[in-house]
Amino acid sequence: KNQVEQSPQSLIILEGKNCTLQCNYTVSPFSNLRWYKQDTGRGPVSLTIMTFSENTKSNGRYTATLDADTKQSSLHITASQLSDSASYICVVSASGAQKLVFGQGTRLTINP
Amino acid sequence: EAQVTQNPRYLITVTGKKLTVTCSQNMNHEYMSWYRQDPGLGLRQIYYSMNVEVTDKGDVPEGYKVSRKEKRNFPLILESPSPNQTSLYFCASSFLGAKLFFGSGTQLSVL
Repeated sequence: KNQVEQSPQSLIILEGKNCTLQCNYTVSPFSNLRWYKQDTGRGPVSLTIMTFSENTKSNGRYTATLDADTKQSSLHITASQLSDSASYICVVSASGAQKLVFGQGTRLTINP
Repeated sequence: EAQVTQNPRYLITVTGKKLTVTCSQNMNHEYMSWYRQDPGLGLRQIYYSMNVEVTDKGDVPEGYKVSRKEKRNFPLILESPSPNQTSLYFCASSFLGAKLFFGSGTQLSVL
């Protein structure tokens, strides 16, 4: 069964600290993996898309990694800011299909 | 401005009264989809469309209908809403295989 598991479910850190969010998937055949940021009550916004051949991709202070062999991805946030408080959602797409598999998200809270 | 527009933003209705949530995109995207988001469950896909007149079921299609008569529009229809369809709904669009652009959401309450 195609699944995407994210950990931790929630995380609280102090402003300025770094953090790493995890995503494990069992989607097959794999096409791409996406990370989205969702502010409360608003639509998700794309951070990165990674294909099979990409190991690392950065978007400002956000860096995503992908290990297609172990089917794991991580999202690293550097020097966190209060505006990083949001849910972060990992989404995996199977080859030849647009039926995306969503993780349940990690709720990140940045405290001053 | 490139965007996905959903209407209405908030909707309160009663059980059994047919309703339509509209979704329109101005980016000429082939792919459009609908999701519902409930506390603790994350986003779940209802229906998706890979092009005009091509639609397919997602993970939770029961109680919903969609149509894709034009490329830019993808309305979500609830023929007979029930309280368990109370949720936050999102429409999204993209070029095939590319990042999704989401609408602002529709908060639906069915009494």
